[in-house]
Amino acid sequence: QQQVKQSPQSLIVQKGGISIINCAYENTAFDYFPWYQQFPGKGPALLIAIRPDVSEKKEGRFTISFNKSAKQFSLHIMDSQPGDSATYFCAAGPHGGSQGNLIFGKGTKLSVKP
Amino acid sequence: SAVISQKPSRDICQRGTSLTIQCQVDSQVTMMFWYRQQPGQSLTLIATANQGSEATYESGFVIDKFPISRPNLTFSTLTVSNMSPEDSSIYLCSVGQGPTNEKLFFGSGTQLSVL
Repeated sequence: QQQVKQSPQSLIVQKGGISIINCAYENTAFDYFPWYQQFPGKGPALLIAIRPDVSEKKEGRFTISFNKSAKQFSLHIMDSQPGDSATYFCAAGPHGGSQGNLIFGKGTKLSVKP
Repeated sequence: SAVISQKPSRDICQRGTSLTIQCQVDSQVTMMFWYRQQPGQSLTLIATANQGSEATYESGFVIDKFPISRPNLTFSTLTVSNMSPEDSSIYLCSVGQGPTNEKLFFGSGTQLSVL
């Protein structure tokens, strides 16, 4: 119940296309859902996050869609660029506060072809 | 966001030895977090380091294997002791922001290979 399942494991998208990464969780105690972006040799960087009181959050080309009833959330990258090529992790934090303990998915390696 | 410096960035170690990883933050923080990123796996919290008290370890991680020091509000070390090839991972230092430290910021990590 503590797992966050992420798919696909890898994704290849053409420049200008839409990249979609999906995550699912089981524990309804989660109430904070961030996405992290990691480039080789770097630590993960917070990209965008959502809480269950909204179904969608958009920041520039990045959008999180959240389906509370299905316990799923996804990251959409519009107009994907080669510079977006990285590994993306979804995560979940528990209600009442994570105190640094986020449950991460296994990551999706995105390659955007020019 | 905090600037987190971690060293070494990578190391190759022999089985049975120990490695100490250092983490320096550019601002004072109450909690620092150590994560492990195994190849092809998700990130897993090892322990939380509080200044002036013992570190709090997550299930599956013990102090004898991963001793942690937190001498002040900007610095922490994680030691990986008596290493085996199974310890080969990326080790990440992290600090949190927000009411419950939910927004995590990570250092660049230490890539450890154990032969």
